[in-house]
Amino acid sequence: GDSVTQTEGPVTVSESESLIINCTYSATSIAYPNLFWYVRYPGEGLQLLLKVITAGQKGSSRGFEATYNKETTSFHLQKASVQESDSAVYYCALGLTGNTGKLIFGLGTTLQVQP
Amino acid sequence: GALVYQYPRRTICKSGTSMRMECQAVGFQATSVAWYRQSPQKTFELIALSTVNSAIKYEQNFTQEKFPISHPNLSFSSMTVLNAYLEDRGLYLCGARGTTNSDYTFGSGTRLLVI
Repeated sequence: GDSVTQTEGPVTVSESESLIINCTYSATSIAYPNLFWYVRYPGEGLQLLLKVITAGQKGSSRGFEATYNKETTSFHLQKASVQESDSAVYYCALGLTGNTGKLIFGLGTTLQVQP
Repeated sequence: GALVYQYPRRTICKSGTSMRMECQAVGFQATSVAWYRQSPQKTFELIALSTVNSAIKYEQNFTQEKFPISHPNLSFSSMTVLNAYLEDRGLYLCGARGTTNSDYTFGSGTRLLVI
């Protein structure tokens, strides 16, 4: 079936350090799924961080970036220099396009940035 | 901008009783509404998807008899957890989108505790 696997948290890094949260996916019901990263800050709902719908393309937002790699079925999230305000739970998701718009989420990775 | 409100934010119900939660899209006309549940230690699972001019579609493991959904229009949706038990606790997230190709906007969720 369709599934998403991501880095198991919590991940703790110091402010200004680099970050990578791994995400790999398995898509059996669709050849080219849309790929997303969502973020959930404490007390808030899920927010879309970035998405990429074309294999080989890179998405970026707020200093974060992720590249859609169909060969390795990966969509790792990276940031060169994290800030304390980046502390949140990050979810990688696979989107089934078309009328359903169904999203398959990973388990989420808690990021704790220490000052 | 597009916002989705959910209420209540948090609720407690006794085992065997029912609990209704609501979702409202503001700033756009919703054409699809999705309800997800995140159980403890799990990721978000799709419960059901409502699309304009189509019947509500429930995912495997979720039924209309257990999670009835109603909406006079898709910008206002409510879901009830009937006969709630411990396994129903978790965060219930509502997402809505305006067009088939747009992204879902999510609310902050309703956290259900069952005692």
